Amino acid sequence: GAVVSQHPSRVICKSGTSVKIECRSLDFQATTMFWYRQFPKQSLMLMATSNEGSKATYEQGVEKDKFLINHASLTLSTLTVTSAHPEDSSFYICSAPRGGGAETQYFGPGTRLLVL
Amino acid sequence: GIQVEQSPPDLILQEGANSTLRCNFSDSVNNLQWFHQNPWGQLINLFYIPSGTKQNGRLSATTVATERYSLLYISSSQTTDSGVYFCAVERDFGNEKLTFGTGTRLTIIP
Repeated sequence: GAVVSQHPSRVICKSGTSVKIECRSLDFQATTMFWYRQFPKQSLMLMATSNEGSKATYEQGVEKDKFLINHASLTLSTLTVTSAHPEDSSFYICSAPRGGGAETQYFGPGTRLLVL
Repeated sequence: GIQVEQSPPDLILQEGANSTLRCNFSDSVNNLQWFHQNPWGQLINLFYIPSGTKQNGRLSATTVATERYSLLYISSSQTTDSGVYFCAVERDFGNEKLTFGTGTRLTIIP
């Protein structure tokens, strides 16, 4: 089946630094990818839609200057958390639809970010 | 925006028991899916079920779209069924964005 990978799987950084998370579709091309954030014992919240060849679209309340998204190719989207603070500590998950429809979305394994 | 509520929030069962998880949504949806999030955080797609009933082994799901709810049934529970179960809905046709429910944390005791 289709596989979506994320790197790194976990990262610890100091407050004020920037962290880049990669999301790759390994055996299919994805013109769209989605980024979610999940705080401990909570649900997944959609942050933004990553679009290959155009700007990302952000959900209401998500700061686009803090969470930079670049869809560099048809198999790679990156999320950069700029000037990270402890409140940005969370589990970040990407997904990529394969073909048409949300029923064919595949989720990455997630990246745990801890900001000290 | 659409509200997606799941019940119960937590469920602890003995191995071998059956369970029913419920997902209520506040508006019409184009798509509904059930996911299992394992203890390592990986989301596993269980069912795509905008309406009707589907079965896959010990799991089955039913969505009654007109009444805005879906049910996930787990029979003969195993410890590997432990984790968090989410339903997620696609709000608008074709945009593939998913709104996740509040989740049910299932713990199966040997």
